[in-house]
Amino acid sequence: AQSVSQHNHHVILSEAASLELGCNYSYGGTVNLFWYVQYPGQHLQLLLKYFSGDPLVKGIKGFEAEFIKSKFSFNLRKPSVQWSDTAEYFCAVNARTGGSYIPTFGRGTSLIVHP
Amino acid sequence: DVKVTQSSRYLVKRTGEKVFLECVQDMDHENMFWYRQDPGLGLRLIYFSYDVKMKEKGDIPEGYSVSREKKERFSLILESASTNQTSMYLCASRTGTGGGWSYNEQFFGPGTRLTVL
Repeated sequence: AQSVSQHNHHVILSEAASLELGCNYSYGGTVNLFWYVQYPGQHLQLLLKYFSGDPLVKGIKGFEAEFIKSKFSFNLRKPSVQWSDTAEYFCAVNARTGGSYIPTFGRGTSLIVHP
Repeated sequence: DVKVTQSSRYLVKRTGEKVFLECVQDMDHENMFWYRQDPGLGLRLIYFSYDVKMKEKGDIPEGYSVSREKKERFSLILESASTNQTSMYLCASRTGTGGGWSYNEQFFGPGTRLTVL
């Protein structure tokens, strides 16, 4: 079964700092990849996704992620964080499990941005 | 906009009670999911339904069952609630084929925080 590792469990930054959250997965076949965000008290929502093509994917609110197939990684980046980026971030990998494509989630990274 | 609603935001039940958590989506999505979310453990899949009356076990199905009689509704049932089932329960849906083939993103409900005393 596939697994997803998010290496940073808690990240604390000051506003304007750069952000990179790591995500690695273990699956050798075709995958598609997602980052979701959960702001305090809100639903999980999609930040960005990768299916194919350009491995550098841009999402909402200035976030981007790069798919590096050889490293089984899909790291999330933002050049300059804001206080409003305080949230929990989840990486998810959609891969074939039996006859279905089932998403597997990482354990999440809690980001706190100080103003 | 896709809307996924869950019947309760907060629920308190006693050990041994039968508990029903309801989820409804309004975008005609084929696939629906139930997860539990616990601090430090992320989202863990309980059950997945790729079509009406079809279901597959996820990673942690023990102690749970599901029902999908209509396309828009997916119910999670705790047959006999236990304290270790205290958690946040999230429902999600996505477009996909009836066979569960989908590259699409999921849309999540607001969650039900269940406390079992």
